[in-house]
Amino acid sequence: KQEVTQIPAALSVPEGENLVLNCSFTDSAIYNLQWFRQDPGKGLTSLLLIQSSQREQTSGRLNASLDKSSGRSTLYIAASQPGDSATYLCAVGQRGSDSNYQLIWGAGTKLIIKP
Amino acid sequence: KAGVTQTPRYLIKTRGQQVTLSCSPISGHRSVSWYQQTPGQGLQFLFEYFSETQRNKGNFPGRFSGRQFSNSRSEMNVSTLELGDSALYLCASSYRTSGIGTYEQYFGPGTRLTVT
Repeated sequence: KQEVTQIPAALSVPEGENLVLNCSFTDSAIYNLQWFRQDPGKGLTSLLLIQSSQREQTSGRLNASLDKSSGRSTLYIAASQPGDSATYLCAVGQRGSDSNYQLIWGAGTKLIIKP
Repeated sequence: KAGVTQTPRYLIKTRGQQVTLSCSPISGHRSVSWYQQTPGQGLQFLFEYFSETQRNKGNFPGRFSGRQFSNSRSEMNVSTLELGDSALYLCASSYRTSGIGTYEQYFGPGTRLTVT
């Protein structure tokens, strides 16, 4: 059974620092991995989607990497800003027991950027 | 292009009542998935609809049901509400063809349901 873990559960850093959020998964038979951002009480915003054949994806100050063999993904945020404060979730896309696609979610990392 | 919209945004119901939530996907997206998010359980998959048919289902009781219309809009219904159904209900749309939908999912803002 796929398990997705995000460590740490919470992270507080000063503005301007570069930081890395971690996501690990137990089963490497995945289709893709997606990173999301969630602001308090709001829906999820898709940040980056990495297909299983890819090693990384970049969007602006964000870079996500994927290492299927070790079951790890990282989300790198460069030059952090207070507006980056949110909860970051990773979700692994895989074939479910009924052969349909399903997302398995991590619990998220709550990120606070201090001005 | 408009994003995923959900109505209503907030809802307060009492135990035993039923509720219907609505989701309009991004234009051109034919797949709609529903999720429940609670502080204790995190995000849990409810079901997915594609071309008006339920294609995928999570582990929720039969009180949770859904449907999809020909314009891809979807509704979720919860009957006989329980206190534990209080949650943020999110829907997501994706561009899925007839095969397994492995495309990026786009989420709506959610409906906050409170059951008293």
